[in-house]
Amino acid sequence: EVQLVESGGGLVQPGGSLKVSCAASGFTFSGSGMHWVRQASGKGLEWVGHIRSKANSYATAYGASVKGRFTISRDDSKNTAYLQMNSLKTEDTAVYYCTTTGTTGDAFDIWGQGTMVTVSS
Amino acid sequence: SYELTQPPSVSVSPGQTASITCSGDKWGEKYAYWYQQRPGQSPVLVIYQDTQRPSGIPERFSGSNSGDTATLTISGTQAMDEADYYCQAWDSSTVVFGGGTKLTVL
Repeated sequence: EVQLVESGGGLVQPGGSLKVSCAASGFTFSGSGMHWVRQASGKGLEWVGHIRSKANSYATAYGASVKGRFTISRDDSKNTAYLQMNSLKTEDTAVYYCTTTGTTGDAFDIWGQGTMVTVSS
Repeated sequence: SYELTQPPSVSVSPGQTASITCSGDKWGEKYAYWYQQRPGQSPVLVIYQDTQRPSGIPERFSGSNSGDTATLTISGTQAMDEADYYCQAWDSSTVVFGGGTKLTVL
């Protein structure tokens, strides 16, 4: 079964750090670009960033609101992608989804269930 | 930065056709992708590359892209289609989502 499972969300104080994970199964993880998308309560989807495959030099790109604070990495031996979040702000509070372009090549047809990150004092 | 604009809400009667638009600059040079998100659930891809329907998506879902507007059309709308819908595009190596449209089936 094709699956993405996020974990590691929780409560963190403003200015703090948190690392969330995305475990993949059922498809060729090493050949897939991995993306993070977030959604604040009652709001729309916001692209956070992505990491490409080894064949594409593990290149990364980020959205403007998180650039310089968030870092995406991956461990192909563990079929897992990570999102390291530093200097967290209250406005980073959201459900964080990992997603990938599975069978289509350029559309997000595989999504995880999301992990909740709350930034509050 | 690239922006996509969707109407906040669209209403439709059961059995009728719903059209959700997404406007963006130079849409003709990009592909449009559409996602359905029901309350409390993860998004689901319903249309990719303007007009393609993934396996398992009902035929009543279709898409088009012309000029500055991409459109998601749901024919014979059912109560289960009530959800939020998001358009999406690639802008160079980054991803842009529209603000989302809440579809209400009255």
